[in-house]
Amino acid sequence: QLQLQESGPGLVKPSETLSLACSVSGGSFSTTGHYWAWIRQPPGKGLEWIGSFYYNGTTYYNPPLRSRVFISVDTSKNHFFLKLSSVTAADTAVYYCAEGTGSGSNFNSWGQGTLVTVSS
Amino acid sequence: SSELTQDPAVSVALGQTVRITCQGDSLRSYYASWYQQKPGQAPVLVIYSKNNRPSGIPDRFSGSSSGTTASLTITGAQAEDEADYYCNSRDSSPYRVVFGGGTKLTVL
Repeated sequence: QLQLQESGPGLVKPSETLSLACSVSGGSFSTTGHYWAWIRQPPGKGLEWIGSFYYNGTTYYNPPLRSRVFISVDTSKNHFFLKLSSVTAADTAVYYCAEGTGSGSNFNSWGQGTLVTVSS
Repeated sequence: SSELTQDPAVSVALGQTVRITCQGDSLRSYYASWYQQKPGQAPVLVIYSKNNRPSGIPDRFSGSSSGTTASLTITGAQAEDEADYYCNSRDSSPYRVVFGGGTKLTVL
């Protein structure tokens, strides 16, 4: 049973960098056909895809966020990471990590989500 | 703004059938997936690749697609189906994943 768990600061100051980690158990980043993603949801609003990386190392980012986003992975620790720079209040959201298979938009497993508030 | 369009809210009487739709150009090339989200919880995948259900999802959930419109149908809606429903799909130029704005389903 695949399980994902987000962790990181719940409060980030404007203009600073948001950093989150996703711990993965019961799965491997190198399993063929799998991809791993960050998705966010501002309070009371809909879901927004941030970016995904595939089992083969290819990474994709949402174009509006591309200049500020970096997703990395530490296979030895079964963690992957999100960094979002130059944050503003608009980046306040629940951040989810997720795992998928197939076409790129089938997210089978999700973490519980972590609320990150951008405020001074 | 979403490039997949969903009705903001839909209601259905208990035990009746409801269809939730999702429109967008990306659906010409890629199938939609559907997610159910209850308050305070992470989304749950209920339909993928047009009309496939993950294990554990009741068979009253089904999906279909035609042209630029994808649909999620709940046949015999239950009280526990009251939730927000989101569609999503791939897009390829450039690669991205897009979500609809979500539909709030009320079971009366």
